Amino acid sequence: DAKTTQPNSMESNEEEPVHLPCNHSTISGTDYIHWYRQLPSQGPEYVIHGLTSNVNNRMASLAIAEDRKSSTLILHRATLRDAAVYYCILRDGGSNYKLTFGKGTLLTVNP
Amino acid sequence: EAGVTQFPSHSVIEKGQTVTLRCDPISGHDNLYWYRRVMGKEIKFLLHFVKESKQDESGMPNNRFLAERTGGTYSTLKVQPAELEDSGVYFCASSNTGGETQYFGPGTRLLVL
Repeated sequence: DAKTTQPNSMESNEEEPVHLPCNHSTISGTDYIHWYRQLPSQGPEYVIHGLTSNVNNRMASLAIAEDRKSSTLILHRATLRDAAVYYCILRDGGSNYKLTFGKGTLLTVNP
Repeated sequence: EAGVTQFPSHSVIEKGQTVTLRCDPISGHDNLYWYRRVMGKEIKFLLHFVKESKQDESGMPNNRFLAERTGGTYSTLKVQPAELEDSGVYFCASSNTGGETQYFGPGTRLLVL
């Protein structure tokens, strides 16, 4: 499975935007970039995914570099409820649906 | 719409005993997955069902683990006999055809003493 690299931790203030980076220099042409997050004592939760173009949904935006070797998850206005571990995951666009979790980025949101 | 549910939420058993975990996916989801996080490690994939068939069981650690999904609805994961290193959180997830988004349950926290 292609590997991703994320910072171990990041800190943000409430109501401010947060940019969570992810490097995936060995991404293949059929890999989708998925982001999940895990709030304390809960199961992982889908956030967003994309292939080549930037994506927006009600939770976040995903900015994908032109060469696809990196991406950034953007939370436009962080809230205390956004404090979680964020995982950037590459998933093959074929029939292999399994998710390979790394260590993720622990996001702390300060009030 | 009900989410993925798992039972029990917690289980404490002694080494050598048997434990069965249950997962009820979101209604209509053909894909069902099991993952686990053991102490201090990352979340790891165990296996993937499509309806009642095992699509990928490459992550199952050994033959003490048996997963079933009779009838293509709920799934069980049995650990027999349990060992200390099986302690951790077991997550179940489901997705519809296409599998783009996996919906996870809250997990079962297993402690083997």
